[in-house]
Amino acid sequence: EVQLLESGGDLVHPGGSLRLSCAASGFSFNFYAMSWVRQSPGKGLEWVASVSGDGRNTHYADSMKGRFTISRDNSNSTLYLRMNSVRAEDTAVYFCASTTAGYFDYWGPGTLVTVSS
Amino acid sequence: YVLTQSPSVSLAPGQTAKITCGGNDIRSKSVHWYQLKPGQAPVLVLHHDRDRPSGIPERFSGSTSRNTATLTITSVEIGDEADYFCHVWDNNSYHVFGTGTRVTVL
Repeated sequence: EVQLLESGGDLVHPGGSLRLSCAASGFSFNFYAMSWVRQSPGKGLEWVASVSGDGRNTHYADSMKGRFTISRDNSNSTLYLRMNSVRAEDTAVYFCASTTAGYFDYWGPGTLVTVSS
Repeated sequence: YVLTQSPSVSLAPGQTAKITCGGNDIRSKSVHWYQLKPGQAPVLVLHHDRDRPSGIPERFSGSTSRNTATLTITSVEIGDEADYFCHVWDNNSYHVFGTGTRVTVL
């Protein structure tokens, strides 16, 4: 059974940093691209970033470029999102998702990041 | 690239829900659909316009016309109450989600 479990969400001050993790199990992690998607309170889904199976290729949404870094540790089947210079508008539930042929086939339940002073 | 969905749909159990997703020449793209319930992991209900992942009931189906993709849920059940989002991959914007449709089963 595929399982994805995010962690690391917390209350962080504007301008601060945070690292999210996503532990994966039940599938060949290193064969799959992985992504982060977020949902701000009362709003829709927004793609954040994606990384290829070997970790060499990354893509970011424009508003996250230069502030967020997606990475992975295939030896531990874990996906990461480093968030720097966070803003109030980064407040959201962050989901990790396996990515296949352009769509997100499995998702975790999400972790809440709140940016507030 | 922008995907527009109607904000909400309300219907009684047993009725048919049609959730639309409008986008310029959306027929040229592959459309995927997700179901979101509060506090739960999102679920992929359709990929590539009309393909159902294993475990998704046949009540869920999809179609596309030139500028509109449609998710149809026949014989709606209480358990189908959720937010539904369409999604495409675009060369310029990468992953784009629709604005979301809340399905309420009365």
